[in-house]
Amino acid sequence: DSGVTQTPKHLITATGQRVTLRCSPRSGDLSVYWYQQSLDQGLQFLIQYYNGEERAKGNILERFSAQQFPDLHSELNLSSLELGDSALYFCASSGTSGGLNEQFFGPGTRLTVL
Amino acid sequence: GQNIDQPTEMTATEGAIVQINCTYQTSGFNGLFWYQQHAGEAPTFLSYNVLDGLEEKGRFSSFLSRSKGYSYLLLKELQMKDSASYLCAVRHGSSNTGKLIFGQGTTLQVKP
Repeated sequence: DSGVTQTPKHLITATGQRVTLRCSPRSGDLSVYWYQQSLDQGLQFLIQYYNGEERAKGNILERFSAQQFPDLHSELNLSSLELGDSALYFCASSGTSGGLNEQFFGPGTRLTVL
Repeated sequence: GQNIDQPTEMTATEGAIVQINCTYQTSGFNGLFWYQQHAGEAPTFLSYNVLDGLEEKGRFSSFLSRSKGYSYLLLKELQMKDSASYLCAVRHGSSNTGKLIFGQGTTLQVKP
């Protein structure tokens, strides 16, 4: 158990809908990262937040947005869903100290768009 | 741009040693990570290199050559449970932050 929690575990929805994925980082971690993993694309970085502020952005679609709240949990919002958005969405967190600073991954949310 | 290459699949025998290579071309390099991922599960951290050389951690070792843009993960005394995908990832940014750019992963199958 990495200490990172994600809800829900599974989500099935229809095209055009909007969903919200939730992530709670490990206790004390200030950085939260979101990744998308689909069969043909591998793990793709979406966005990073650090202590409530956006820190880095990857190839995140305009239909997707995220935020990190004062209690450090984060939400990823996916709107106008398309079939191709079906994937595993992982959240990861890391601490603030220098050196190793590995990222710990949550169990993921499996999104199926029908 | 960023490009990370790993072999797609490898097969090895239980008890043997296997080396998984990773080459990368990227700017803003700040460390190379190896993760293990079983199907449908979260990636779990294996090793980290930021300086050239070999890092050993039990049955797992990782090597980095920054000048060659090359790393490898060495797995010794293979066990059946080592059958998984192995992901090479390059970190960008400062030591406190920074996104990970992942390779496509190497699926390792360990046979009896």
